[in-house]
Amino acid sequence: DVKVTQSSRYLVKRTGEKVFLECVQDMDHENMFWYRQDPGLGLRLIYFSYDVKMKEKGDIPEGYSVSREKKERFSLILESASTNQTSMYLCASSPPGATYEQYFGPGTRLTVT
Amino acid sequence: SQQGEEDPQALSIQEGENATMNCSYKTSINNLQWYRQNSGRGLVHLILIRSNEREKHSGRLRVTLDTSKKSSSLLITASRAADTASYFCATDADQGAQKLVFGQGTRLTINP
Repeated sequence: DVKVTQSSRYLVKRTGEKVFLECVQDMDHENMFWYRQDPGLGLRLIYFSYDVKMKEKGDIPEGYSVSREKKERFSLILESASTNQTSMYLCASSPPGATYEQYFGPGTRLTVT
Repeated sequence: SQQGEEDPQALSIQEGENATMNCSYKTSINNLQWYRQNSGRGLVHLILIRSNEREKHSGRLRVTLDTSKKSSSLLITASRAADTASYFCATDADQGAQKLVFGQGTRLTINP
C-alpha cells in the first residue's frame, strides 16, 4: 500500500517562529503536493513538485516555501509563522500526470498563537 | 482558483437510504475524481471517471459525468454509518497539468 506520512499530527507554534512540516512517501512518486484546508474554503494548493529540486507555486504560495532534496521527501516551510496560517496542512503524492489519483497523508493541524 | 463546486454543502440521511452529491465545474477536463475525508484525517481516493466516460461503478458507489453540463454526481447506495464523511470532487485544472483542483466538499451524515 502507498503510504504518505507527515511528521506531526498536531503542532502548536508561536507567531514569528520558523516552522517545518515534513512529508515522506514510499512509492517513488514523482509528484508531491502541499495543501491547506480551511472550513468553507476546501483544499487550496500551496506548492507542488514534479521532480527533485523542482517546485511550482500553487494558488496560495505567499508566506510559504518548500524544499525537495530527495524524491521521497517534500518539506513545507513557514519562514515566520503568523496566526492566519493556523490550518490543517495536507501532503499528497502521485505518479506523473493528473490522470492518477493522489495519495494523502493524515494531515497536520497547525495552530499558531 | 475554484473549479469544482459540490452541492449540497451538507446532507443528512437515515442509514439504508441513498445519498446523492453533485459537482459542477467550469472548464474542460480530462478526468474527474471523487475523494472521501473522515473527520480530521487525510483524503482517500474513491473513483476516477474520464471525460469520455458517462458512468462508473465501484461497489456501492456510482459516479456519472455529463461533460455537456460540466457536472458530475456521486451516488452512495444503501448508506451505512461508516459513510459519514466529507466528499470532494477534484478536476485536473487544465489539460496537461499535473495538479488537481478540489471543490469545497459535501458533508454527509448518516443517522442510525
